[in-house]
Amino acid sequence: DSGVTQTPKHLITATGQRVTLRCSPRSGDLSVYWYQQSLDQGLQFLIQYYNGEERAKGNILERFSAQQFPDLHSELNLSSLELGDSALYFCASSVLQGGNNEQFFGPGTRLTVL
Amino acid sequence: AQSVAQPEDQVNVAEGNPLTVKCTYSVSGNPYLFWYVQYPNRGLQFLLKYITGDNLVKGSYGFEAEFNKSQTSFHLKKPSALVSDSALYFCAVRDGSGTYKYIFGTGTRLKVLA
Repeated sequence: DSGVTQTPKHLITATGQRVTLRCSPRSGDLSVYWYQQSLDQGLQFLIQYYNGEERAKGNILERFSAQQFPDLHSELNLSSLELGDSALYFCASSVLQGGNNEQFFGPGTRLTVL
Repeated sequence: AQSVAQPEDQVNVAEGNPLTVKCTYSVSGNPYLFWYVQYPNRGLQFLLKYITGDNLVKGSYGFEAEFNKSQTSFHLKKPSALVSDSALYFCAVRDGSGTYKYIFGTGTRLKVLA
């Protein structure tokens, strides 16, 4: 158990809908990262927050947004969902924002868009 | 732009034999390099990292990795493979010059045969 929690575990929804994925980092970790893992694209970095502020952006679509709250939990919002958004979404956390810190991954949320 | 390559989609090795999972990278500054392992239906788990210092890094579960600056490689190794090592392995790189982005390789599936 990494100490990172993600809810829900599974989510099934329809095209055009909007969903929110939630992540609670390990106790004491200030940095949160979001990743998308699909069969054809591998593990794609979406976005990073550190202590409530956005720190780095990867291949995140404009339909997707995220935020980190004062209690350090984070939410990833996915809107106008398309079939291609079906994937595993992982949240990870680390102590600091620096490059030498390893990340601790949550168990993931499996999103299925029908 | 930083990148990481795992040239093999799958590596098969007999139990008890040494294993190597390959990773090469490209960054503009000094690299921070990581290996993670993913078991079925689980999030990624940190194995080891290279930040600075000794080129041979030892990590969890008997794994080690060798940093080779001239060949820009960071191959994962284990002297004697176990069936339980069968999993998906990801190499990741972070540019030490200040960008916070993490880039993951496409993953290598390791299959250890009994």
